[in-house]
Amino acid sequence: NAGVMQNPRHLVRRRGQEARLRCSPMKGHSHVYWYRQLPEEGLKFMVYLQKENIIDESGMPKERFSAEFPKEGPSILRIQQVVRGDSAAYFCASSPGQGNDYGYTFGSGTRLTVV
Amino acid sequence: GESVGLHLPTLSVQEGDNSIINCAYSNSASDYFIWYKQESGKGPQFIIDIRSNMDKRQGQRVTVLLNKTVKHLSLQIAATQPGDSAVYFCAEKFGNEKLTFGTGTRLTIIP
Repeated sequence: NAGVMQNPRHLVRRRGQEARLRCSPMKGHSHVYWYRQLPEEGLKFMVYLQKENIIDESGMPKERFSAEFPKEGPSILRIQQVVRGDSAAYFCASSPGQGNDYGYTFGSGTRLTVV
Repeated sequence: GESVGLHLPTLSVQEGDNSIINCAYSNSASDYFIWYKQESGKGPQFIIDIRSNMDKRQGQRVTVLLNKTVKHLSLQIAATQPGDSAVYFCAEKFGNEKLTFGTGTRLTIIP
């Protein structure tokens, strides 16, 4: 039973390019969360999605960032026109549902480097 | 709350000793708490959780204590091993809302 799968593990982009980060949740999980982590810092919430719906995007920057979780396929976090400040580790987590007794299972992350 | 560009607090413990990692959470309404362990280059790994109607929960070599009066959470690791070296995060959740992470503490086990 595979866990949360993220790809790519490492991504290098030049300033101005687009970055697409993919996340496949655990089997049976319908809720996906994206977090961002800078070196030596905690995880900062970005967005919470269910299939075809964005539930909470309060942590997403207003511009250049978008996320989706289509009916079929993985969740995608897209960063357009990347800048050096976007360099970070991006983690995806999934959970089986709502309710306050569910911890999240995290993937191994995508490390984005903008050069 | 969340850290803003600060270096992680650190804790060094002799192998075999017990360690206690503390966390102050921010939302008095939070009703579910989790401790995660993050090793270098990896994603956070679930260690133990506790609901707000409990004040203590034990796992294998780990114990979580919750003090709602002062909004404090602690993780006790017994008989530490080299593999316990990692960054430990507490996280809080209220109802169906998102999980919010604390600052994190880097634990180093000294052989």
